[in-house]
Amino acid sequence: GDSVTQMEGPVTLSEEAFLTINCTYTATGYPSLFWYVQYPGEGLQLLLKATKADDKGSNKGFEATYRKETTSFHLEKGSVQVSDSAVYFCALSPRGYQKVTFGTGTKLQVIP
Amino acid sequence: EAQVTQNPRYLITVTGKKLTVTCSQNMNHEYMSWYRQDPGLGLRQIYYSMNVEVTDKGDVPEGYKVSRKEKRNFPLILESPSPNQTSLYFCASSSLGQGTSGTEAFFGQGTRLTVV
Repeated sequence: GDSVTQMEGPVTLSEEAFLTINCTYTATGYPSLFWYVQYPGEGLQLLLKATKADDKGSNKGFEATYRKETTSFHLEKGSVQVSDSAVYFCALSPRGYQKVTFGTGTKLQVIP
Repeated sequence: EAQVTQNPRYLITVTGKKLTVTCSQNMNHEYMSWYRQDPGLGLRQIYYSMNVEVTDKGDVPEGYKVSRKEKRNFPLILESPSPNQTSLYFCASSSLGQGTSGTEAFFGQGTRLTVV
């Protein structure tokens, strides 16, 4: 079945550091890929998405590129802020279906 | 404002006492689902619904029931809760995808359930 593997956290970075959170997936066909973010005490909200190979999703300074050859969708940000502290979930949704399969989440803590 | 509303946000109950967690969305979405979030396991789907009166099991349905009598509401029912159902629960909704594009899921704020 479909699965998503992302790096375990927590990840602790200083403000303005570069962020990478690795995500790889296993799925048949060409799924849509997502990054969701969960701030403390809140539900998940979509951060960015990509629906086909080589697409780059971007939002709030975060980026991720759909790499079919390596089945990866790594999240990056050039300069993190304290307000980026949250749990980040990589996820996929098979083409034509609504079910979303999530990774286990990576907690990011940014210190001043 | 587009939103998914869950109630209650926090609930402590005793083993075996039936409870219902409500979920309502105001976006006219066809698809709704329930997830539980546990440390180290991420989010796992419990049940989902493609439309009114159409529900199906997700990955971890045991011990749960759902109903979809109206498009906007999708309650989660625990008829006889047990301590292993202590978890953080999320309701989500989305519109049915248009062909090949993935669609965004909108999540509620979560319900933290403790069964003692």
